Amino acid sequence: DVKVTQSSRYLVKRTGEKVFLECVQDMDHENMFWYRQDPGLGLRLIYFSYDVKMKEKGDIPEGYSVSREKKERFSLILESASTNQTSMYLCASSRASPDTQYFGPGTRLTVL
Amino acid sequence: RKEVEQDPGPFNVPEGATVAFNCTYSNSASQSFFWYRQDCRKEPKLLMSVYSSGNEDGRFTAQLNRASQYISLLIRDSKLSDSATYLCVRGLTGGGNKLTFGTGTQLKVEL
Repeated sequence: DVKVTQSSRYLVKRTGEKVFLECVQDMDHENMFWYRQDPGLGLRLIYFSYDVKMKEKGDIPEGYSVSREKKERFSLILESASTNQTSMYLCASSRASPDTQYFGPGTRLTVL
Repeated sequence: RKEVEQDPGPFNVPEGATVAFNCTYSNSASQSFFWYRQDCRKEPKLLMSVYSSGNEDGRFTAQLNRASQYISLLIRDSKLSDSATYLCVRGLTGGGNKLTFGTGTQLKVEL
């Protein structure tokens, strides 16, 4: 069965902290994605990766970075968390060709 | 103009009703389209792909109109379990499976 897991369901951090969000998929997928979801704005793509050590900016990359050292793991990094980064963060993965994206359960991050 | 636009709803319908959602898109180079379903406090999941010829999956029918740049989702004989947010999704040619999501249409099916 398809599985995408995220390291935390809920996270509370303080302004200025460095935050790591981890995502792991067990489907041997080439593509992995990080989105944030906010009321009224929907899902917005932050970064994606189509191979190990490869990354591409999405629509809203400012304030974020990513790391993909292994095929199954894609990390989202907030170098210095700010209150406007309070959001639901969703990770997804898919095969290389146009295909279904499978999502993890999400991490609700609150930055105080 | 947003790349993918949907009426946010909510659509409140009685059980057994037929309900239809439309979604418009702005990029004529758009290649592929999907409907995803998102339950409250859950992750989105693929409901169905949308083809120019239209496709049907049980009580669900999806249509694509490239000339008018919209897609639709029809749900017949609504069930309480259909209550969810329905996301219209567009994929671009050569986009590396990069998708653009609409903000979603909320459906509430009531007794």
